[in-house]
Amino acid sequence: GDSVTQMEGPVTLSEEAFLTINCTYTATGYPSLFWYVQYPGEGLQLLLKATKADDKGSNKGFEATYRKETTSFHLEKGSVQVSDSAVYFCALSDVAGANSKLTFGKGITLSVRP
Amino acid sequence: GAGVSQSPSNKVTEKGKDVELRCDPISGHTALYWYRQSLGQGLEFLIYFQGNSAPDKSGLPSDRFSAERTGGSVSTLTIQRTQQEDSAVYLCASSLTGTVSNQPQHFGDGTRLSIL
Repeated sequence: GDSVTQMEGPVTLSEEAFLTINCTYTATGYPSLFWYVQYPGEGLQLLLKATKADDKGSNKGFEATYRKETTSFHLEKGSVQVSDSAVYFCALSDVAGANSKLTFGKGITLSVRP
Repeated sequence: GAGVSQSPSNKVTEKGKDVELRCDPISGHTALYWYRQSLGQGLEFLIYFQGNSAPDKSGLPSDRFSAERTGGSVSTLTIQRTQQEDSAVYLCASSLTGTVSNQPQHFGDGTRLSIL
């Protein structure tokens, strides 16, 4: 079945540091890939997505590139801010399974220190 | 409101009681999903609705769990004879369609269920 593997957390960084959060996936079809973010006390929000190989999703300074050859969708940001502190979830949606339900990674908590 | 609305936001109940959780999706969204977020298991899919029918119930953990959707809109998730392991945040999401994988899902704030 489909699965998503995220790097272990938590991650603590200083403000303006470079961020990489690794994500790899296994899917039977041709999935779309997503990063969702959950800020403290808030609901899950879509951060960015990519729907086919070599697509780059970007939003709020975050980027992730859909790499079919390595089955990866790593999240990067060049300079993190305190306001980026949140839980980040990598997810895939594979309609080969007859509906677009999301399969999530376990999530990783990012804390950014001033 | 424009977003997915869930109620109640918090529910505390005694073991063995039945609970009902409600989800109002974004107007016009035909696909509706229920997920469960728990400490040990992360975010897990429970059930998918397309309109009023549920073609995928594969994530429901036991026959104590059921869900329905009426009028292609509101959905209720019912847990009968609650157990302590049912304690979790139950999330509802909707999207324009469930048959295209690149449609983003929009999530509600969830119902935090605590079983005493």
